[in-house]
Amino acid sequence: GESVGLHLPTLSVQEGDNSIINCAYSNSASDYFIWYKQESGKGPQFIIDIRSNMDKRQGQRVTVLLNKTVKHLSLQIAATQPGDSAVYFCAERPSGSRLTFGEGTQLTVNP
Amino acid sequence: EAQVTQNPRYLITVTGKKLTVTCSQNMNHEYMSWYRQDPGLGLRQIYYSMNVEVTDKGDVPEGYKVSRKEKRNFPLILESPSPNQTSLYFCASSPDGTGGDEQYFGPGTRLTVT
Repeated sequence: GESVGLHLPTLSVQEGDNSIINCAYSNSASDYFIWYKQESGKGPQFIIDIRSNMDKRQGQRVTVLLNKTVKHLSLQIAATQPGDSAVYFCAERPSGSRLTFGEGTQLTVNP
Repeated sequence: EAQVTQNPRYLITVTGKKLTVTCSQNMNHEYMSWYRQDPGLGLRQIYYSMNVEVTDKGDVPEGYKVSRKEKRNFPLILESPSPNQTSLYFCASSPDGTGGDEQYFGPGTRLTVT
């Protein structure tokens, strides 16, 4: 399943499928990006980050892709599990400044 | 355990009654920040601090005060709370003084002002 980020704040996928969550960032001068996961009733938690000199970075079951040409960031989750159900949001850092956060996408994993 | 703690976790109060939400971090981080999170609006920064005795307004500072007398503590003060301050509040800290690196978040404080 795939979201279109801020314009579609929910994404529903079947357990075991791959998920793609998108984020359109605003500042072409941003040089650092983070994906956070926020489970219900908890604070946001760091998932993975990427610097602007890279276009792809992989973690455990997650991959972040960065397309600076169109200012687009995506988070791919492989073999989505029920425990992945949460709100995911991206953060960007304009060079030398502080992080700013997107609104987030609610991911629901159906068993 | 490295963490950011907030107290209280839940608070119901009445309009005009001063309150303080505490925030403490044990990671010796330079940067601390307060955010509010409202449906459809994401995380909005209230105030931040790049070091002891240094605080700055974020995007939505009206109606809030902060102080940074010690590196580990960053309390949020609502002198005269109003219903539009009903929200979910998060404190965060970051090792980098600019706040541009990974931020570690507390568990949140859900505030209701009636």
